Amino acid sequence: KQEVTQIPAALSVPEGENLVLNCSFTDSAIYNLQWFRQDPGKGLTSLLLIQSSQREQTSGRLNASLDKSSGRSTLYIAASQPGDSATYLCAVKVAGKSTFGDGTTLTVKP
Amino acid sequence: EAGVAQSPRYKIIEKRQSVAFWCNPISGHATLYWYQQILGQGPKLLIQFQNNGVVDDSQLPKDRFSAERLKGVDSTLKIQPAKLEDSAVYLCASSLVVGSYNEQFFGPGTRLTVL
Repeated sequence: KQEVTQIPAALSVPEGENLVLNCSFTDSAIYNLQWFRQDPGKGLTSLLLIQSSQREQTSGRLNASLDKSSGRSTLYIAASQPGDSATYLCAVKVAGKSTFGDGTTLTVKP
Repeated sequence: EAGVAQSPRYKIIEKRQSVAFWCNPISGHATLYWYQQILGQGPKLLIQFQNNGVVDDSQLPKDRFSAERLKGVDSTLKIQPAKLEDSAVYLCASSLVVGSYNEQFFGPGTRLTVL
């Protein structure tokens, strides 16, 4: 059974700092890994999707990496802004089924 | 492109009552998912449809939960009777097809409170 862990559960940083969010998974035979953002009371917004054959994906200030052999993915946020405050979730897909971590709640202080 | 639509956005019911949620996926998306998200946790898959057929319902509590996707488009999720532990956000998502390379797109969710 796939297990997905995100540590830390919460993170607070000052504006402008670069930061890394972590996602680890137990079954390395994944099809893809997707990072989402969730604002309070809202649904999930897709940020980046990394295929199993890829090592990283970039979108603006976001960069996601994937290391299947070690069962890890990181989401790098450059020059953080207060608007980046949200919960970030990773989801790992195996055999068409996605398993989510419990998320990291990020607070960026002005 | 319109996103995934869900209704209602909020619902408060007493335990043992029944409730139904509706989802309209992105046009052309063959795969539809229902997730349950308990406060402080990640979403948990309840059921996955490919067109109007069920692909995975292994985590659906079938004694009280049911779902259907008639005509392979809209879907409804029903709980009957509801329990206190069913209080959660119910998220609907869709993707083009089931498989490895398709992004899931989520609706805003329905927040259910069972009293």
